[in-house]
Amino acid sequence: DVQMTQSPSYLAASPGESVSISCKASKSINTYLAWYQEKPGKTNKLLIYSGSTLQSGTPSRFSGSGSGTDFTLTIRSLEPEDFAVYYCQQHNEYPLTFGSGTKLEIK
Amino acid sequence: QVQLKETGPGLVQPTQTLSITCTVSGFSLTSYYMQWVRQTPGKGLEWMGFIRSGGSTEYNSEFKSRLSISRDTSKNQVFLKMNSLKTEDTGVYYCARDHWPGYFDFWGPGTMVTVSS
Repeated sequence: DVQMTQSPSYLAASPGESVSISCKASKSINTYLAWYQEKPGKTNKLLIYSGSTLQSGTPSRFSGSGSGTDFTLTIRSLEPEDFAVYYCQQHNEYPLTFGSGTKLEIK
Repeated sequence: QVQLKETGPGLVQPTQTLSITCTVSGFSLTSYYMQWVRQTPGKGLEWMGFIRSGGSTEYNSEFKSRLSISRDTSKNQVFLKMNSLKTEDTGVYYCARDHWPGYFDFWGPGTMVTVSS
């Protein structure tokens, strides 16, 4: 199985700042990585798939990059609604596997 | 619009069988694969299995011997059944719509399952 290592597990930032979250795969997953946002009282939201393709409705301040084993989610100019938990997921092969999550909190 | 909602028992006793229903609207089960994912304190998010648009299934080997996924297209429902529950199976169970290749474009809100006597 592909192990997904996500870091950091916790991140504190202020609105307006930019942050990056890392996701590393235990073997190459080409560009098949998705990012999700989890917020209390809301369903999980797909942000990005195939490494860098924004899902319809995802604000342009979100971007994804990487290929092979190393991937990054970057959020530029944080808005108050961006404070949430973020997960990566490889969709290159089954079993599908997820990172352990990054909690982004307001500083 | 696309909506998914899981309905589960809340509390299940160890060794018993878990049954969860996912009711969908806004799309057809004959056009999309449907996935099941769970989130437990011990292992985080885990992919469990899926049912194809044609009705065949695939399971994570971690659950294969005790997991079953089925559906009723006339009722727009997908079902998860897992037997021999243990306390470690406590967590939130989600159904999600699959988008090829293997990511989830819509999720249900999840249903919390507690395995306890």
